Amino acid sequence: NAGVTQTPKFRVLKTGQSMTLLCAQDMNHEYMYWYRQDPGMGLRLIHYSVGEGTTAKGEVPDGYNVSRLKKQNFLLGLESAAPSQTSVYFCASSLTRTQADTQYFGPGTRLTVL
Amino acid sequence: KNQVEQSPQSLIILEGKNCTLQCNYTVSPFSNLRWYKQDTGRGPVSLTIMTFSENTKSNGRYTATLDADTKQSSLHITASQLSDSASYICVVSRASGYALNFGKGTSLLVTP
Repeated sequence: NAGVTQTPKFRVLKTGQSMTLLCAQDMNHEYMYWYRQDPGMGLRLIHYSVGEGTTAKGEVPDGYNVSRLKKQNFLLGLESAAPSQTSVYFCASSLTRTQADTQYFGPGTRLTVL
Repeated sequence: KNQVEQSPQSLIILEGKNCTLQCNYTVSPFSNLRWYKQDTGRGPVSLTIMTFSENTKSNGRYTATLDADTKQSSLHITASQLSDSASYICVVSRASGYALNFGKGTSLLVTP
């Protein structure tokens, strides 16, 4: 049981390049989330998914797209990377939406956009 | 605006000492409050979760308290260890919606 895994762990992009971050969970969780964490700020929700085939915008969705083709995977795409997207990206999952549930986080992907 | 404020921003204590971290929130309507521990270079890990009706919860040397009337929570760490060095994040959920409200965290350093 690996929990939540993210690939890659580190990536450096040039402005305008595209990339996809992969999140995988093996806990059969329905809900999955993408966050970004910047120095001096709390985690901010980018997009989330409440089940296979569904996605929704979070607090800071601009410049990102997501897909949830399989229940266990949640992909975060950057079509044209910008320096403002330099950040640490965390994926999380939770079993249900119920408020008492706990989100399990992956180890993070550190992205630098030059 | 739903906000979560944590204090202090950073803290240095000697190994074996106790410490208390604070969290004030304005999130409404309130559902639950979680404390997460985030080691450097890792994702956050849940320590405790409290709902409106709970005012204290323990997890080993970690004890969280909640005063829903004053909208304040604290995390008390007893007999600190070097491995307690981390960022501690307070997270508050609203009773509706999917978004969690994250504090900026308190960075704790435990020194020998």
